Amino acid sequence: AQSVTQLDSQVPVFEEAPVELRCNYSSSVSVYLFWYVQYPNQGLQLLLKYLSGSTLVKGINGFEAEFNKSQTSFHLRKPSVHISDTAEYFCAVSGAGTSYGKLTFGQGTILTVHP
Amino acid sequence: GAVVSQHPSWVICKSGTSVKIECRSLDFQATTMFWYRQFPKQSLMLMATSNEGSKATYEQGVEKDKFLINHASLTLSTLTVTSAHPEDSSFYICSAPTNEQFFGPGTRLTVL
Repeated sequence: AQSVTQLDSQVPVFEEAPVELRCNYSSSVSVYLFWYVQYPNQGLQLLLKYLSGSTLVKGINGFEAEFNKSQTSFHLRKPSVHISDTAEYFCAVSGAGTSYGKLTFGQGTILTVHP
Repeated sequence: GAVVSQHPSWVICKSGTSVKIECRSLDFQATTMFWYRQFPKQSLMLMATSNEGSKATYEQGVEKDKFLINHASLTLSTLTVTSAHPEDSSFYICSAPTNEQFFGPGTRLTVL
């Protein structure tokens, strides 16, 4: 079984400040990791994913995340946020093979960027 | 890039009626699609896996007779909420397990 814990339900920051959204996972098998963003009343947009290779993953909109296997973490970072980054962010894990795509989501982190 | 569409984007129905939600892969074939449900202010929970040409597989706690899934072609999966009740009001989202894990835009169901 897999599980995902997003450690912060809400993160308020000021515009142009750096931000880190924390995500820890547990799984008995190798996993693939994803971060999604959801704007109000909309679907999910993929920010970035880790499947294999380099543990530092760069995504869209200036976001990046680092896969840390020993700490079972996949924290999302952005060096300078904009007002438009205000949204809810979800960390998710998927197994491999026939389980690929069956995502287990974290509880979500609401990022609010203040002017 | 690959796109997944859903229809309708928003539906209101009376308690006891049935509602059908469509999920289409627009420029690729999907033998498998996933259906998720998101209650207000909550995360997404996987409901079921839709398999083209065979029966869907449901997650524990999801009533298969209430949430009917049909995957009749490689580009279309449908979710029918039968005898809907207010507690079924939710945001339903489908996805296709491509490399990019594309999600549909979601369907907001409100049952009165």
